[in-house]
Amino acid sequence: GAGVSQSPSNKVTEKGKDVELRCDPISGHTALYWYRQSLGQGLEFLIYFQGNSAPDKSGLPSDRFSAERTGGSVSTLTIQRTQQEDSAVYLCASSFRRGGEETQYFGPGTRLLVL
Amino acid sequence: AQSVTQLDSHVSVSEGTPVLLRCNYSSSYSPSLFWYVQHPNKGLQLLLKYTSAATLVKGINGFEAEFKKSETSFHLTKPSAHMSDAAEYFCVVIYTGGFKTIFGAGTRLFVKA
Repeated sequence: GAGVSQSPSNKVTEKGKDVELRCDPISGHTALYWYRQSLGQGLEFLIYFQGNSAPDKSGLPSDRFSAERTGGSVSTLTIQRTQQEDSAVYLCASSFRRGGEETQYFGPGTRLLVL
Repeated sequence: AQSVTQLDSHVSVSEGTPVLLRCNYSSSYSPSLFWYVQHPNKGLQLLLKYTSAATLVKGINGFEAEFKKSETSFHLTKPSAHMSDAAEYFCVVIYTGGFKTIFGAGTRLFVKA
């Protein structure tokens, strides 16, 4: 079936505005991850959803960042009062755990530029 | 602490020569190990994965990796580099005890004509 999709692919916003980034995981995948990749940096874990369990928010850099996952499928990452340092590529991944194994499949990312 | 170390931030090879991208992980029981590739302005694509079956894993585009428990390594190799291999490569470990995902810092591969 279709892979992980993300929208928008690119977003330019002004400092102080709020943005919403969307992730559509692979159908049937119970786990969903958000990562941030800043220019020249590795991947930074942000938040993780697994089924109906409470999300692991340990990677969110500040209270301006929040995420939700509705109906165990689509997820939205919201950044309030954006700052220039929020400029990065935001990647979403989904996975399905089977027999103690898990493979994450990534979306193409949303490139966020805060002016 | 659990960690993943990619020993080279940059690797440069000539087209047609072998590629070696090195990855070491901190020792733990039952890790799952992955290599992902990211081409410029693209998302991450799964190259290959090791999940406790054969220690030599073959992936896409002619890449393979060998899990060596004694050395806690999972190096990525390819016999002959192609220009299209130029990209950034990430070694990833999932510690199945708690399904904690750890990414290496990445190795950028340059391929010279």
